[in-house]
Amino acid sequence: NAGVTQTPKFQVLKTGQSMTLQCAQDMNHEYMSWYRQDPGMGLRLIHYSVGAGITDQGEVPNGYNVSRSTTEDFPLRLLSAAPSQTSVYFCASSSPWGEQFFGPGTRLTVL
Amino acid sequence: AQSVTQLDSQVPVFEEAPVELRCNYSSSVSVYLFWYVQYPNQGLQLLLKYLSGSTLVKGINGFEAEFNKSQTSFHLRKPSVHISDTAEYFCAVTDGGATNKLIFGTGTLLAVQP
Repeated sequence: NAGVTQTPKFQVLKTGQSMTLQCAQDMNHEYMSWYRQDPGMGLRLIHYSVGAGITDQGEVPNGYNVSRSTTEDFPLRLLSAAPSQTSVYFCASSSPWGEQFFGPGTRLTVL
Repeated sequence: AQSVTQLDSQVPVFEEAPVELRCNYSSSVSVYLFWYVQYPNQGLQLLLKYLSGSTLVKGINGFEAEFNKSQTSFHLRKPSVHISDTAEYFCAVTDGGATNKLIFGTGTLLAVQP
C-alpha cells in the first residue's frame, strides 16, 4: 500500500517551459487535491477533484491545469512556468470524512 | 467561508517543558478539525483529528488537542516536548461537505531547544 505518490521529487524549469507533476493514490479515494506551500503562507489549494471527470478550482488556480481521467491519477500541469510558481507542491487524497493523506512533495524551481 | 488562524508563527520551548500551539477557526457549520505535522523537508503527516464525540482528542507522539466549540478553538498540547518534536505544525478545518476542501492555517514552527 503506497498511499500517495508524487513524481518528480525535484524539478528545475526555465521561464515559459511547461511540465506535468504526477500524482497517484491507491486508496480508492474520490477526492484529490493539489496544494502549493510557500514560506509563511501555509498550504494553498490550487485545484481539486471530487471524482473521475470532475475538477474544480481552488484558491490559487491561475497558471495550472488539472484533469482526472481515473480515480487513481491526478496530474497537475504548468502551462508556461513563471518564477512565481517556484514552490513545493503537494498532492493529497481524502477519506470521506476529510482526513487527507499527503504525498512527499515536489520541489519546483523556475528560473 | 471557513478560515483558520494560528496566531503564533514560532514557538520556542526548552526540552521537557510543556507546550501549547493555538488554533482558532471560523465556520457557520459543524466542522472536522485536524492537526498535521511537517518535519524538515518532508510531507505532512496527520497528528490527530476531531470528527465528533469526546472533545479531548489524543494523537501520535503524546500530543492531544481539545475542541472548544464556544471559543471556536482547537489548541494542541504536549506535557513534555523532545528535541525530535521540532517541526512545523498546521491546523486545518473542513465541513466535510461534498468537496471535502481542507482549509489550512499558516503554520506554527515549534523549536525545541536543549
